[in-house]
Amino acid sequence: AAGVIQSPRHLIKEKRETATLKCYPIPRHDTVYWYQQGPGQDPQFLISFYEKMQSDKGSIPDRFSAQQFSDYHSELNMSSLELGDSALYFCASSSRTAPYEQYFGPGTRLTVT
Amino acid sequence: AQKITQTQPGMFVQEKEAVTLDCTYDTSDPSYGLFWYKQPSSGEMIFLIYQGSYDQQNATEGRYSLNFQKARKSANLVISASQLGDSAMYFCAMRGPTGANSKLTFGKGITLSVRP
Repeated sequence: AAGVIQSPRHLIKEKRETATLKCYPIPRHDTVYWYQQGPGQDPQFLISFYEKMQSDKGSIPDRFSAQQFSDYHSELNMSSLELGDSALYFCASSSRTAPYEQYFGPGTRLTVT
Repeated sequence: AQKITQTQPGMFVQEKEAVTLDCTYDTSDPSYGLFWYKQPSSGEMIFLIYQGSYDQQNATEGRYSLNFQKARKSANLVISASQLGDSAMYFCAMRGPTGANSKLTFGKGITLSVRP
């Protein structure tokens, strides 16, 4: 079965640089979520999109922005990177008709040096 | 606001034995969902099992079962016949009512180590 795809899997950036993470949800899933998991932490919700519209917002810094495109893939744009942004970034997808499912991608491990 | 509590320290279990991982939750929503995920050292977040607040029966998925006690607000994960590959971090998570509140709130996680 198709799973959530994230790219890149690993990313190394320097402070103050910009990063773009991409997510391709499971086909026919209408909702995409972004989570951030710091070292030794639990995942924290950043933002979600339903049918290409922002549906919910969590603790996402103003330096970050995201959008969902017409083909349902989503991108998380991160600017003015800080050391504290080093984390595992997960994308997850689900369908509102199947609330018992929320599948995660493999994650993008971002390291800011 | 939703809250998930996982307070067990690192858990150890002998291979082939059963183990219970505790999870308690708090919410004011009558409709919610509870998830368990496994995160091995490689980092991916693997869905294990789901329990809806209105489900009459406890969820089961292979060797995983969820001991759902609604009145006590607990949703403990039971892993039967532990395998070495079960060694990982386990997260309990909660979803609010469907729609805008479908995001997950996670507990702090429990580390499980399976001994041969």
